[in-house]
Amino acid sequence: KAGVTQTPRYLIKTRGQQVTLSCSPISGHRSVSWYQQTPGQGLQFLFEYFSETQRNKGNFPGRFSGRQFSNSRSEMNVSTLELGDSALYLCASSLGWGSSGNTIYFGEGSWLTVV
Amino acid sequence: DQQVKQNSPSLSVQEGRISILNCDYTNSMFDYFLWYKKYPAEGPTFLISISSIKDKNEDGRFTVFLNKSAKHLSLHIVPSQPGDSAVYFCAASVGYGGSQGNLIFGKGTKLSVKP
Repeated sequence: KAGVTQTPRYLIKTRGQQVTLSCSPISGHRSVSWYQQTPGQGLQFLFEYFSETQRNKGNFPGRFSGRQFSNSRSEMNVSTLELGDSALYLCASSLGWGSSGNTIYFGEGSWLTVV
Repeated sequence: DQQVKQNSPSLSVQEGRISILNCDYTNSMFDYFLWYKKYPAEGPTFLISISSIKDKNEDGRFTVFLNKSAKHLSLHIVPSQPGDSAVYFCAASVGYGGSQGNLIFGKGTKLSVKP
């Protein structure tokens, strides 16, 4: 079955612009979470969505937001981009809430470069 | 404050030998631990996990050991193969039966297996 799909894979934006990244989870998975990976900070949790509701949020400023649609697909948005937002943004999906020890599966990520 | 620490940024091992990757954590509420492997330009791939009710879990060449009193876990790869060369991330979460989208990751250890 198809894995987690993220689009676009690569993009370059200018400081001050905004960006929207898209994620399609594995079929049947209802939980989607987002992570930011940078060389200095490693993998950091952004937020998690289940049933179109944000369930958890990491320590990121309000410029980072997300949403989930009824078909479990998710988007994240970063407004007023800063140079430090350059990173690999990873989406992960899992079956969802209440499944004991259920594992999350990552997409290949969207590489964002802010210039 | 890092809740999950991988103190060795890199490790080099000869093919056929054992690779031991270590991870320490500070949050005693963590009850589920995972290891992910990541190749360049790809998303992390789930490798193996362990819940806090166990002290060992084995899957083929991969074994994870958990020492709760020391708040330490390790991943053993025996025998190591050149294809194992990748960055290995340790991750932890609170809530084995609940959300698995909110994982706290270590910064990774780059394993190089030399032929």
